[in-house]
Amino acid sequence: QSALTQPASVSGSPGQSITISCTGTSSDVGSYNVVSWYQQHPGKGPKLMIYEGSKRPSGVSNRFSGSKSGNTASLTVSGLQAEDEADYYCCSYAGSNTLVFGGGTKLTVL
Amino acid sequence: QLQVQESGPGLVKPSETLSLTCTVSGDSISSSSYYWGWTRQPPGKGLEWIGSIYYSGSTYYNPSLKSRVTISLDTSKNQFSLKLSSVTAADTAVYYCSGSGSYYRFDHWGQGTLVTVSS
Repeated sequence: QSALTQPASVSGSPGQSITISCTGTSSDVGSYNVVSWYQQHPGKGPKLMIYEGSKRPSGVSNRFSGSKSGNTASLTVSGLQAEDEADYYCCSYAGSNTLVFGGGTKLTVL
Repeated sequence: QLQVQESGPGLVKPSETLSLTCTVSGDSISSSSYYWGWTRQPPGKGLEWIGSIYYSGSTYYNPSLKSRVTISLDTSKNQFSLKLSSVTAADTAVYYCSGSGSYYRFDHWGQGTLVTVSS
């Protein structure tokens, strides 16, 4: 299976909103409502931010939200804060008991 | 709170087998319906799922690595392990272990351990 496609970088000013896309195919993102999103700060392990497309784990800020349209999932971060600056990865089930990640997006808070 | 922590050699020679262990605390790996997984990240690159094991022992592997990967449980030590055979420089990466209540996500991650393949 091929990696999901994410933009290499996105940026926004504090207080603004940004959206990170995650494009797959009808064999992965388009077929299953299980996309998850992870935040990774430099030198740290990833942290689950969104699962099953739009659900937030306990403790994750409601400034983070997820959605899906067709073969593309999206992560929106509203009210940007300096601490949101990190790398973000999406992940989807791709059938046949396999999981696939996106290439990652670097979020810069200007 | 479930916690997981990777351990193992930081340097492996080409053609040899990489072996890592993940120690679980906060719950028993055999008593709860958890999936335990391994993911890796080459320096400066993105995440790659290696494989997962269910608490019952069923295993699931990335097709691109399947011929070289073995994931197993050690219930007596509350650990699970990763073995990757015939390694090359391309296997140099930070290796993460994880635990999750669902196959489709990774709830709890370790801090990762860097494994370098070099002679």
